[in-house]
Amino acid sequence: AQKVTQAQTEISVVEKEDVTLDCVYETRDTTYYLFWYKQPPSGELVFLIRRNSFDEQNEISGRYSWNFQKSTSSFNFTITASQVVDSAVYFCALREETSGSRLTFGEGTQLTVNP
Amino acid sequence: DAGITQSPRHKVTETGTPVTLRCHQTENHRYMYWYRQDPGHGLRLIHYSYGVKDTDKGEVSDGYSVSRSKTEDFLLTLESATSSQTSVYFCAINSGVSSRDTQYFGPGTRLTVL
Repeated sequence: AQKVTQAQTEISVVEKEDVTLDCVYETRDTTYYLFWYKQPPSGELVFLIRRNSFDEQNEISGRYSWNFQKSTSSFNFTITASQVVDSAVYFCALREETSGSRLTFGEGTQLTVNP
Repeated sequence: DAGITQSPRHKVTETGTPVTLRCHQTENHRYMYWYRQDPGHGLRLIHYSYGVKDTDKGEVSDGYSVSRSKTEDFLLTLESATSSQTSVYFCAINSGVSSRDTQYFGPGTRLTVL
């Protein structure tokens, strides 16, 4: 069965600090897909990134970067030089190839960036 | 913007009453989903649809039913609402024709059952 663990329930940082959000997953499939979503205080869910299990390249998008390591079943998310607008709940999610459409979410990490 | 709307956006109802939430999409997506979000649980899949009149259960389907009579609308019904169904409900679509594609979410419906 698939499972996603986001061990950090809440993180608080001061603006301009770097912060890493952890995501550890469990799956028996060899093909799977990993996602990160952002939920700002306004409540909508915003897609950030999708990573396929056969592509272990790390990705950078502006201040955001993602470190995918199959050896440790982790897909961590780093925000460099955090800003107040980064304050949100961040969700990691997993979809197994054999589970069809089912997305399994972690419980989320509440990130607060203080000025 | 994936062209997803949900109605109503907020609803307060009483235990035992029926409730229907509507998800509407404008881009002819094949796959549609209903999730609920609760503190400490992230988002959990209730039901999903892979075409008109084709639906399947998710991990928390008890107490819920769905219908999809046309591509653009996916309805979630609580036949007899209970307080445990107080939650935020999100509809989602798949961006492509495959179940592998990325899911995009609607704005959510906050339901309170008194």
